[in-house]
Amino acid sequence: AQSVTQLDSHVSVSEGTPVLLRCNYSSSYSPSLFWYVQHPNKGLQLLLKYTSAATLVKGINGFEAEFKKSETSFHLTKPSAHMSDAAEYFCVVSGSNAGGTSYGKLTFGQGTILTVHP
Amino acid sequence: KAGVTQTPRYLIKTRGQQVTLSCSPISGHRSVSWYQQTPGQGLQFLFEYFSETQRNKGNFPGRFSGRQFSNSRSEMNVSTLELGDSALYLCASSLAVWDRAHEQYFGPGTRLTVT
Repeated sequence: AQSVTQLDSHVSVSEGTPVLLRCNYSSSYSPSLFWYVQHPNKGLQLLLKYTSAATLVKGINGFEAEFKKSETSFHLTKPSAHMSDAAEYFCVVSGSNAGGTSYGKLTFGQGTILTVHP
Repeated sequence: KAGVTQTPRYLIKTRGQQVTLSCSPISGHRSVSWYQQTPGQGLQFLFEYFSETQRNKGNFPGRFSGRQFSNSRSEMNVSTLELGDSALYLCASSLAVWDRAHEQYFGPGTRLTVT
């Protein structure tokens, strides 16, 4: 079984300041981890993914995330927030397909709404 | 490449009716997954199809069903609609075939309102 906990439902930052969105995961298998972003009335866009290669993963729009197995965390960061970053962010886990229990199934966290103030 | 497309984008139905939603995956993607997004429950996995076969299913009642065609296009059907079925239904496609999961690419969704 796998699960994701996003530690903050809302995060508010000023434009130009760093962004930190926190995520802890639980997985029976070696997980694949993703961050997706959803702008209002839009579909989900993939920001970045971790699939057991480098633990520091770089994504689009200046975002990156670090996989820490000892802490079961996969926090999303960005050095400098932009107004266009305001959206809802989802941390997502997908387990191994071993045993066929995870085919095509992504497990989503509850989401973090990021607000960026001018 | 064209992205994932979903039709229709918006639907309004009455309780007790049934509805069919359609999804066209990215060219070359053979796996299609469906999700329901609501404010209360968040994003929940409905089912996944690969090569016209349902390989995985979430915890939804049998009123929710789907299928996949030989060209990888997929449909989902909800029968005997209930008010609680009002949601954004998202379709995602992936190259996922075996073992390690691949990332999924999402369509814009179909907004279903049940009155």
